[in-house]
Amino acid sequence: GAVVSQHPSRVICKSGTSVKIECRSLDFQATTMFWYRQFPKQSLMLMATSNEGSKATYEQGVEKDKFLINHASLTLSTLTVTSAHPEDSSFYICSATGQVGDQPQHFGDGTRLSIL
Amino acid sequence: GQQVMQIPQYQHVQEGEDFTTYCNSSTTLSNIQWYKQRPGGHPVFLIQLVKSGEVKKQKRLTFQFGEAKKNSSLHITATQTTDVGTYFCAGRTTSGTYKYIFGTGTRLKVLA
Repeated sequence: GAVVSQHPSRVICKSGTSVKIECRSLDFQATTMFWYRQFPKQSLMLMATSNEGSKATYEQGVEKDKFLINHASLTLSTLTVTSAHPEDSSFYICSATGQVGDQPQHFGDGTRLSIL
Repeated sequence: GQQVMQIPQYQHVQEGEDFTTYCNSSTTLSNIQWYKQRPGGHPVFLIQLVKSGEVKKQKRLTFQFGEAKKNSSLHITATQTTDVGTYFCAGRTTSGTYKYIFGTGTRLKVLA
């Protein structure tokens, strides 16, 4: 149980393109979803926290107009990197928790984004 | 801002040796979670500690939460090659927001 699916797994695109990443909880309802960015051999940096039906809470330094997050249902959250540039290249990974409160985070497999 | 540091950053051990990673937060935590990330994989939840001074065991893994709820440790007894990966602690803040700050991670390599 507690499977999170993230798509696509890899994206290579030109500078200026907008890229949408989907995060789905397959067998549970995700009250909260988190979006992280991970640089090679480094830790996970929290970008934003998303709750179903409400606006995402962004961490300091993360541009909300650059990284659009939508959590329209209890099983789907999306991250759109708008007008991506080479410095946006990174590994983006989502996680979901099933209930409000102290619950384990279930992670997707991540999306490797490469902007040329 | 809040920081969660882990030491060591890297550890190479011979199979059968013990391993410990330490997690230190700049602020008091509500609770702490531990995750393991295999190379090329995603983090997988190991355990959660909530109470001050709490100790939990999972087979060869022992997790401890400090009395002040600002530090934690993970100890692996008699490492195996399957223990290879990066171990992250993730601390929940005591503020009203529900979020976890991941530690810097400790990458473990086990030599057969």
